[in-house]
Amino acid sequence: AQSVTQLGSHVSVSEGALVLLRCNYSSSVPPYLFWYVQYPNQGLQLLLKYTTGATLVKGINGFEAEFKKSETSFHLTKPSAHMSDAAEYFCAVSQNTNAGKSTFGDGTTLTVKP
Amino acid sequence: KAGVTQTPRYLIKTRGQQVTLSCSPISGHRSVSWYQQTPGQGLQFLFEYFSETQRNKGNFPGRFSGRQFSNSRSEMNVSTLELGDSALYLCASSLSTSGVTDTQYFGPGTRLTVL
Repeated sequence: AQSVTQLGSHVSVSEGALVLLRCNYSSSVPPYLFWYVQYPNQGLQLLLKYTTGATLVKGINGFEAEFKKSETSFHLTKPSAHMSDAAEYFCAVSQNTNAGKSTFGDGTTLTVKP
Repeated sequence: KAGVTQTPRYLIKTRGQQVTLSCSPISGHRSVSWYQQTPGQGLQFLFEYFSETQRNKGNFPGRFSGRQFSNSRSEMNVSTLELGDSALYLCASSLSTSGVTDTQYFGPGTRLTVL
């Protein structure tokens, strides 16, 4: 079984401030972890993913996430928020050797204040 | 390379009707997954098709069904629509080569409204 918990359904930051979106997972086997972003009326776009290897993963648009097995966490960060980062972010976990069945968190809406 | 396409983008149906949604994956992708997104339940996995066979299935009633064609295009069907079926239905495709976790690429979704 697998599950994802995203802490904080809404996060608000000022432009230029650090972005931190939290994700904790539960998985009975080594997980594959993903962060997606969704803009209004659009599908999901992959920001980054962790499968194996280096635990610090860099993604698009300056985002990165660190896989911490001991904490069962995969938090998403960005050093400096931009207005265009305002969107909904989803953390997802997959157990299989393919990503055909992913379990998603409830999402975190990021607001960026000027 | 063209992305995942879904048709139609918007649908309005009434209770009791049935609906068919279509998804065309990225060229060369053999896996197609479907998800339902609602404000109350979030993103929930419906099913996944690979090489015309259902490989994974979520916890949805039998009113929800799907299929995949030899060209990897997929359709999902919902029969006897209920108000609660109103949602954004997302399709995602991936290469799904053996033994490798593949990235899923999502389409823009079909917004279904049931009146």
